[in-house]
Amino acid sequence: DAKTTQPTSMDCAEGRAANLPCNHSTISGNEYVYWYRQIHSQGPQYIIHGLKNNETNEMASLIITEDRKSSTLILPHATLRDTAVYYCIVTKTQQGAQKLVFGQGTRLTINP
Amino acid sequence: DSGVTQTPKHLITATGQRVTLRCSPRSGDLSVYWYQQSLDQGLQFLIQYYNGEERAKGNILERFSAQQFPDLHSELNLSSLELGDSALYFCASSPNWGGNEQFFGPGTRLTVL
Repeated sequence: DAKTTQPTSMDCAEGRAANLPCNHSTISGNEYVYWYRQIHSQGPQYIIHGLKNNETNEMASLIITEDRKSSTLILPHATLRDTAVYYCIVTKTQQGAQKLVFGQGTRLTINP
Repeated sequence: DSGVTQTPKHLITATGQRVTLRCSPRSGDLSVYWYQQSLDQGLQFLIQYYNGEERAKGNILERFSAQQFPDLHSELNLSSLELGDSALYFCASSPNWGGNEQFFGPGTRLTVL
């Protein structure tokens, strides 16, 4: 699976959009970008995933660059409950065991 | 609530002992994954089972073993415990073999004294 690079920490004001970047320059054509988050020692929570098109769901938007070497997770209106560690994971989805390889992630702090 | 349950929530034991952690996946999910999260190693994949069969192994020590039962619940057995085994142990489930949208349980916090 491709390696990812994320900033160690970020801050964002409550109510503003939080933009979390992820670099995955060695991503291959059949690898997807997944985002999970972990709120203070709780189990990680799936947020969103994508291959090459931008994706949006009720939690967030995922913007993937055209060359697929980087992506940005956007939380449109961050709340205090969005304070968490966010993990960007690149992995294949088809056949085969799909272990998730978690890096260090980005510790996002939402400030009132 | 992810629908994945884990018991116990907390476990305190002594070095050299053996413990069993239990996981019940979401209804209908066939895959169960175990992860370990310690302060120095982060979240690490241990092992995956699919419909009762082992499918993948990660950084799982020989002192650790797991199984998935016919009713699809899974148990992680940790033996000859060492101080360094103190960690959060998470179970996750997904509907199929290759499911990357994994649903995590609340975890079991193991403390080895």
